[in-house]
Formats: sequence, structure tokens, C-alpha cells
Amino acid sequence: DAGVIQSPRHEVTEMGQEVTLRCKPISGHDYLFWYRQTMMRGLELLIYFNNNVPIDDSGMPEDRFSAKMPNASFSTLKIQPSEPRDSAVYFCASRRPGGTEAFFGQGTRLTVV
Amino acid sequence: GESVGLHLPTLSVQEGDNSIINCAYSNSASDYFIWYKQESGKGPQFIIDIRSNMDKRQGQRVTVLLNKTVKHLSLQIAATQPGDSAVYFCADRGGSNYKLTFGKGTLLTVNP
Repeated sequence: DAGVIQSPRHEVTEMGQEVTLRCKPISGHDYLFWYRQTMMRGLELLIYFNNNVPIDDSGMPEDRFSAKMPNASFSTLKIQPSEPRDSAVYFCASRRPGGTEAFFGQGTRLTVV
Repeated sequence: GESVGLHLPTLSVQEGDNSIINCAYSNSASDYFIWYKQESGKGPQFIIDIRSNMDKRQGQRVTVLLNKTVKHLSLQIAATQPGDSAVYFCADRGGSNYKLTFGKGTLLTVNP
């Protein structure tokens, strides 16, 4: 298995632009998590899905952030409009049914200038 | 809200020494704990986990100890190697909540 796949690996965008981050979870996994990592705040859970349904989005910082999971093999995290303070590494992770550990992707490093 | 935190932000050891990384948690309902290792430019990678009904669990060169009385978790790495250099995170799952809450991490540096 290729593991959790995220794209792009790096994204540099100007303030005000829309940014879309993509994630392909491990096949057969039914939980998908989006995390944000910064030096100041560490790893923060933004939102997670179970069977493509958003379960808890209390970590989403603002209405500028939205996430979707149209099917079991794809999820997006969108920021519109982006701001410099959104600069961070965004991780996607997935977990198998009945499992406990989350498997992380390589992350997307977002820089908003 | 309740959170998981770390005592030491950095730890520097000599190759071959044993390393101990500590973590404090505050959620008394947490029933499951994980240690992750994150190397530069990569995502967190699972190392070892432990359930709240256990005090100790051993893996290959790693041991996790859980003290529920003081809400403390530790990761012991035996015969630390340069490849162990990374940031180590503890995370907990609070009761019936399926999401993991991560601590801020400890940077482990292994000197050759």
C-alpha cells in the first residue's frame, strides 16, 4: 500500500487566493483526519470524517476553512480566502475500521505570502 | 479544554545511551495513548501504543510506561541511535471520543 497520499507537497500562494489541499487515504480505511501543524500550536485536529461523513469540525478555525469527502478515496481541505497566518504544514491521516492508530501522509507545507 | 503536554521540549543524548521522553496528560477519561515519531519533512509515524488498563508495554527497543495516578506517560528508547533523532509526540484518545489530541512534542537529538 502506498500509504496516505497528499498533494501538493508544497504550496506557495498569495494572500486572498483560494487554496485546495488534497488527500487520498489508505484503501479500506473508514476514518480520515485533517491536522494542522505549526511551531506555536503543534498538531491541531481540524476535522475528521467517518465513512465520508464529517463527524467533528470543531477544530476548523474559521469559516474560511472547509473540508469535503465526496467518496472513500478522496478528501479536500479548502481555504478561501487564504491569509498569512494560515501558513503551516497540513496533514491528512486515516485509520482502518476498528483500528486505533492513525496513519499520516507526508503533509502539505502551505506558505501564504 | 483538556490537553496533552510535555515536560521537556528538547533532549540531547549520546549514541548508545537510553532516552526517556515524558508526557503529562490531563484528561482522566483518556483510555488510549500513542507515541509518534516525526522526522524532518515527514508525517508522524506510529511507534507504540498503550491502553489505560496497562502500566507498561514493550516494543523493539522502546517501552511505554503509563502512570494513571499522576497522569504521566513516558517513552523509553534503549541504546539510542542517530536514526532515532526526531520529534516525539504523545497523543491521547479521550474516552469515547475517537479523535487523538497531541502534545507539542519533544525534539530528541542523538550525538554520535
